Amino acid sequence: GQQLNQSPQSMFIQEGEDVSMNCTSSSIFNTWLWYKQDPGEGPVLLIALYKAGELTSNGRLTAQFGITRKDSFLNISASIPSDVGIYFCAGPNSGYALNFGKGTSLLVTP
Amino acid sequence: DSGVTQTPKHLITATGQRVTLRCSPRSGDLSVYWYQQSLDQGLQFLIQYYNGEERAKGNILERFSAQQFPDLHSELNLSSLELGDSALYFCASSVGGGGSSGNTIYFGEGSWLTVV
Repeated sequence: GQQLNQSPQSMFIQEGEDVSMNCTSSSIFNTWLWYKQDPGEGPVLLIALYKAGELTSNGRLTAQFGITRKDSFLNISASIPSDVGIYFCAGPNSGYALNFGKGTSLLVTP
Repeated sequence: DSGVTQTPKHLITATGQRVTLRCSPRSGDLSVYWYQQSLDQGLQFLIQYYNGEERAKGNILERFSAQQFPDLHSELNLSSLELGDSALYFCASSVGGGGSSGNTIYFGEGSWLTVV
């Protein structure tokens, strides 16, 4: 299946800082999804992107579908402690299920 | 609450044993997916069922099998368990076939399996 590479692997920031993370693929995607996993929970969808160049926001989160269709970016502005968790990018696996990146762990200190 | 229900939440069993994990999808969802999450491998797609039929297969071991029943609930059977099978197993569901169709998939809270 397609390889999804996320970076950075982890981030340790102070409350109020902005965060950027990205995901690259070995092949072209028609859909990019960003999920967040809180400790002890299943991943929850944050943002879905369906078109190259698309920029979509969900509150303090903004994600972009890269023009090459091989990458995507997620930005979090003015981070707060409840932003702590693991952020995953995902894309369709041969048209059916989703492949996930290995995640970016985010820690936010007050 | 995603609407996807998984049981049991935690399970401890010995090597060589067999366990069954159960999943009830969200009401109206026809697709069920199984994922395995471990520290070193991240979220690995195992298998997908759509309306009772196998739709896609990922990195599922031969010792593992799954099925989806007429009422759309699903079971993941793990046999001849090894220490390395210890992981968090997620079930997820979506309305349609998922993937490039853009259907959102919703995850349950997972079943923690510890093999000792």
